[in-house]
Amino acid sequence: DVKVTQSSRYLVKRTGEKVFLECVQDMDHENMFWYRQDPGLGLRLIYFSYDVKMKEKGDIPEGYSVSREKKERFSLILESASTNQTSMYLCASRLPGVGTEAFFGQGTRLTVV
Amino acid sequence: KNQVEQSPQSLIILEGKNCTLQCNYTVSPFSNLRWYKQDTGRGPVSLTIMTFSENTKSNGRYTATLDADTKQSSLHITASQLSDSASYICVVSENTGFQKLVFGTGTRLLVSP
Repeated sequence: DVKVTQSSRYLVKRTGEKVFLECVQDMDHENMFWYRQDPGLGLRLIYFSYDVKMKEKGDIPEGYSVSREKKERFSLILESASTNQTSMYLCASRLPGVGTEAFFGQGTRLTVV
Repeated sequence: KNQVEQSPQSLIILEGKNCTLQCNYTVSPFSNLRWYKQDTGRGPVSLTIMTFSENTKSNGRYTATLDADTKQSSLHITASQLSDSASYICVVSENTGFQKLVFGTGTRLLVSP
C-alpha cells in the first residue's frame, strides 16, 4: 500500500519560531509537493520538487522554504512562523508524466499563536 | 487565469439518496480531471480520473462524467452511505510539461441517517 507520511498531525507553535514539517514517501516518486489548505480557498501550492536537491516555487512561497536532500523526504520550513501561517499543510508525491495520481499525506494542522 | 469552480459548496442528503456534484473549469491546455475524496482530518484520495476522450467513468457507487466541450464535470453518488460524508475535490491537470494541478475548493457532503 502506497504511503505518504507527515511527521505530525497537529502542531502548535509560537510566533517567530522556526518550524519544520517533514514528509516521507515510500513509492520512489520523483515529484513531491507542499500545499496549504484553507477554508474557501482550496489547496494552494507552496513549493514542489522534481528531484533530489531541486526545488521550485509554487503559487504562495513567501515565508516558506523547502529542503530535499533525499528522494523520499521533502521538508517544509517556516523560517519565522506568523499567525497567518496557521493552516492545514498537505504533502503529496507522484510520478512524473501525464495522468499520474498524486498521493497525499494525512495533513498537519499547524496553529501559530 | 486557470480556475476550477465547484458547486454546491455544501450539501446535506439522507442516507440512501443520490446526489450530483458539479465542477466547471477554465484550465487550458487540459490534460485530465480527477475527483478526490477528503475525509475530515485526512488527505485527499483519488476516486477517478477522466481524460479528454472519456465521457463517463464509474468506480463503484461513484460515476464521473466529463464534457470537454463545455468544460464541465460531474460526480454522481448513488445510494449514499454515511461513510460518503466528506469533501469532494475536483482537480484539473494542465497539459504542460509539469502537469500542474489546479484544485477546486470542494463540495462538503453530509449524509444524514
